[in-house]
Amino acid sequence: AQSVAQPEDQVNVAEGNPLTVKCTYSVSGNPYLFWYVQYPNRGLQFLLKYITGDNLVKGSYGFEAEFNKSQTSFHLKKPSALVSDSALYFCAVRDKAGGSYIPTFGRGTSLIVHP
Amino acid sequence: DTAVSQTPKYLVTQMGNDKSIKCEQNLGHDTMYWYKQDSKKFLKIMFSYNNKELIINETVPNRFSPKSPDKAHLNLHINSLELGDSAVYFCASSQDPLPNEQFFGPGTRLTVL
Repeated sequence: AQSVAQPEDQVNVAEGNPLTVKCTYSVSGNPYLFWYVQYPNRGLQFLLKYITGDNLVKGSYGFEAEFNKSQTSFHLKKPSALVSDSALYFCAVRDKAGGSYIPTFGRGTSLIVHP
Repeated sequence: DTAVSQTPKYLVTQMGNDKSIKCEQNLGHDTMYWYKQDSKKFLKIMFSYNNKELIINETVPNRFSPKSPDKAHLNLHINSLELGDSAVYFCASSQDPLPNEQFFGPGTRLTVL
């Protein structure tokens, strides 16, 4: 069975500093990995995905993520954090089962960017 | 244009009642989903439909029944509501069968009193 782990409930970073939100995964087949962001009282918004190809994936709002197969990780990064990046971030994996790509989400990491 | 819309946004009801939440997407996607997000923000998939056919049915009480009249709509009907059903319910869609990203609705906050 597939699973996603986000080891940190909360990440605190100062504005202007680089940020990393961690994600590790476990799948039986090829990993299809996603990051989503959720602002308060809103639905999730897609940030970026890894399907195949380059291990460094660039996404919306200056975010990027690095796929590391040997460490089964897909950490989300941004070179310079903004206060407006403060939100809840979800890592997700889709693994094929019975002909469908079933999505599984991590428990979420709350990112707090301090001015 | 709203890509994935849900109604109502808020739903407050008494235990034992039956209620429905509606979802519509105008993205032309083939697959739609229902998720439940609990008070700790944990997101759990409930159901998924592909072209009106149920393809994912997680361990959800049979008081919950999804219905997809066409591929642009996926409704969720809940019978005999319980206190533990209080949560935010999200509808989402994606263009499958490839493992593409999902587009989420704004959520329906259900409160059972």
